[in-house]
Amino acid sequence: GENVEQHPSTLSVQEGDSAVIKCTYSDSASNYFPWYKQELGKRPQLIIDIRSNVGEKKDQRIAVTLNKTAKHFSLHITETQPEDSAVYFCAAIYNDYKLSFGAGTTVTVRA
Amino acid sequence: DAGVIQSPRHEVTEMGQEVTLRCKPISGHNSLFWYRQTMMRGLELLIYFNNNVPIDDSGMPEDRFSAKMPNASFSTLKIQPSEPRDSAVYFCASSLQTGGMAEAFFGQGTRLTVV
Repeated sequence: GENVEQHPSTLSVQEGDSAVIKCTYSDSASNYFPWYKQELGKRPQLIIDIRSNVGEKKDQRIAVTLNKTAKHFSLHITETQPEDSAVYFCAAIYNDYKLSFGAGTTVTVRA
Repeated sequence: DAGVIQSPRHEVTEMGQEVTLRCKPISGHNSLFWYRQTMMRGLELLIYFNNNVPIDDSGMPEDRFSAKMPNASFSTLKIQPSEPRDSAVYFCASSLQTGGMAEAFFGQGTRLTVV
């Protein structure tokens, strides 16, 4: 299967608070899980990714976790800032090339 | 490198007309993807090329859609005839595939409006 479920669809947080987005995937063979950020009117851009041989990866204020047994992966943004406001997409790779995207989460950081 | 380059950025056309979207992938990348983005359906993969060969076109909605990649530096997505429901943002993306774990770089997209 190629199903990626993403929650929540919208998320509003106070500046400085944390934001968490969760995704589940259906194909146990998936081994690559990127996260993309898309600002209004712009292209999706990779912000972080995780391979199936690791459980967690961190890059400054952004971290991803992966639970292969449960087929869950999550994005954590700490100390949110106004420039973090965007749509975030999780994705999982199928058949070694096919990126299947979640429906997206619109994150709004309130000043 | 300038990244993935798409043209035009915006296209407004009348129903029934032919539309051609163009993409120049990043030099050296061996994989090219065409995606369609709409509010209702999100990001959908239309077609995937590897080394200029179409590998998976299962996402192409109908026979009105066709895509070509005549060489490693150019691809087109054609809609003939176009319909209002084709209105969307079409993204081209490229990557250097090595065992499936490769960042896909997106172009700026073409916003297509069919009236």
